[in-house]
Amino acid sequence: AQSVSQHNHHVILSEAASLELGCNYSYGGTVNLFWYVQYPGQHLQLLLKYFSGDPLVKGIKGFEAEFIKSKFSFNLRKPSVQWSDTAEYFCAVNALGTYKYIFGTGTRLKVLA
Amino acid sequence: DTAVSQTPKYLVTQMGNDKSIKCEQNLGHDTMYWYKQDSKKFLKIMFSYNNKELIINETVPNRFSPKSPDKAHLNLHINSLELGDSAVYFCASRPGRSDTEAFFGQGTRLTVV
Repeated sequence: AQSVSQHNHHVILSEAASLELGCNYSYGGTVNLFWYVQYPGQHLQLLLKYFSGDPLVKGIKGFEAEFIKSKFSFNLRKPSVQWSDTAEYFCAVNALGTYKYIFGTGTRLKVLA
Repeated sequence: DTAVSQTPKYLVTQMGNDKSIKCEQNLGHDTMYWYKQDSKKFLKIMFSYNNKELIINETVPNRFSPKSPDKAHLNLHINSLELGDSAVYFCASRPGRSDTEAFFGQGTRLTVV
């Protein structure tokens, strides 16, 4: 069965700091990978996705993520965070050809102005 | 022109009551989901339907009963509400098992008092 873990539960950064949020999944086969953001009181919005091809994917708002198959990881990065990036970030995995769409426990990011 | 819409947005009710949450998507997707987000922001998959057929039924109390009258609608009925049912419930849709992301509704914040 597939599962997702996010090791950083709470992250506090100052504006302009660089961000890296970890995401590891457990599944032996091919997966699709996603990062979502949830701003306070809002629904989930897709930041970026990986299906195949270039393991470095770029998303919206300056975010990017790198798929490292050997490490079963899909870490989210941003070179310079802004106060407006304060939100909850979720990694999700979908095993190829299945319906299950599983989320990690989320990482709460707080950016100090 | 909301893609995935849920009603109501807020629901406050007493313990023991029965309530329903409705979800509709206008994206033409075949697959719909219900997720529960608890106070710690953990997103847990509850159910999934594909073309009106139940395909995922996680370990959810049988007080929760999903119904899909057609592939554009997925409703969630909850009997005998308990305090622990208080959460935000998100509906999502996706075009089946293809390489695509899930699209989320705005969520329904259920508070049981």
